[in-house]
Amino acid sequence: NAGVTQTPKFQVLKTGQSMTLQCAQDMNHEYMSWYRQDPGMGLRLIHYSVGAGITDQGEVPNGYNVSRSTTEDFPLRLLSAAPSQTSVYFCATGYRLNTGELFFGEGSRLTVL
Amino acid sequence: GIQVEQSPPDLILQEGANSTLRCNFSDSVNNLQWFHQNPWGQLINLFYIPSGTKQNGRLSATTVATERYSLLYISSSQTTDSGVYFCAVERMDSSYKLIFGSGTRLLVRP
Repeated sequence: NAGVTQTPKFQVLKTGQSMTLQCAQDMNHEYMSWYRQDPGMGLRLIHYSVGAGITDQGEVPNGYNVSRSTTEDFPLRLLSAAPSQTSVYFCATGYRLNTGELFFGEGSRLTVL
Repeated sequence: GIQVEQSPPDLILQEGANSTLRCNFSDSVNNLQWFHQNPWGQLINLFYIPSGTKQNGRLSATTVATERYSLLYISSSQTTDSGVYFCAVERMDSSYKLIFGSGTRLLVRP
């Protein structure tokens, strides 16, 4: 039972490049989400999903795309990376958001030059 | 959107001391969780506590939903308690958005 797995753990991009952060969970959770954490700050919600085929925007969605084709996977895509997207990204999952706890992956540190 | 304020922003304790961390929120909620982020960045759920009181070892939490605040108590603190403590809430309209406060940074000295 791996829990919540994020890849890659570290990535360096040049401005304008694209990439995908992967998140996979093996707990059959309905709810999956992506957060970013900037130095000295709390976590800000980027996008979330309440089930396969259902996604919605969080607090800071601009510059990011998501899709949820399976229960297990929730990739986060940066289509044209910008230095402002330098951050640590966390994937978080749960059965249903308002009935239980949230479980976090270990994070992915992204630097955009 | 809902506002989540945590206090104090920073806290330094001597090992063995007790502390209380506070989380105020600006709207009715149906979900409140406390998290600990250790010095290596890992986030661990401490409590799912939309109302009432829970205890887990040296940690306990109380949420008074009608007065829009939650408290996290740490007793007999240990150096391993160091890190950042976050409160996160979901507004009552089931928006599926768990919004985080800016955290309380705790340092426990031996």
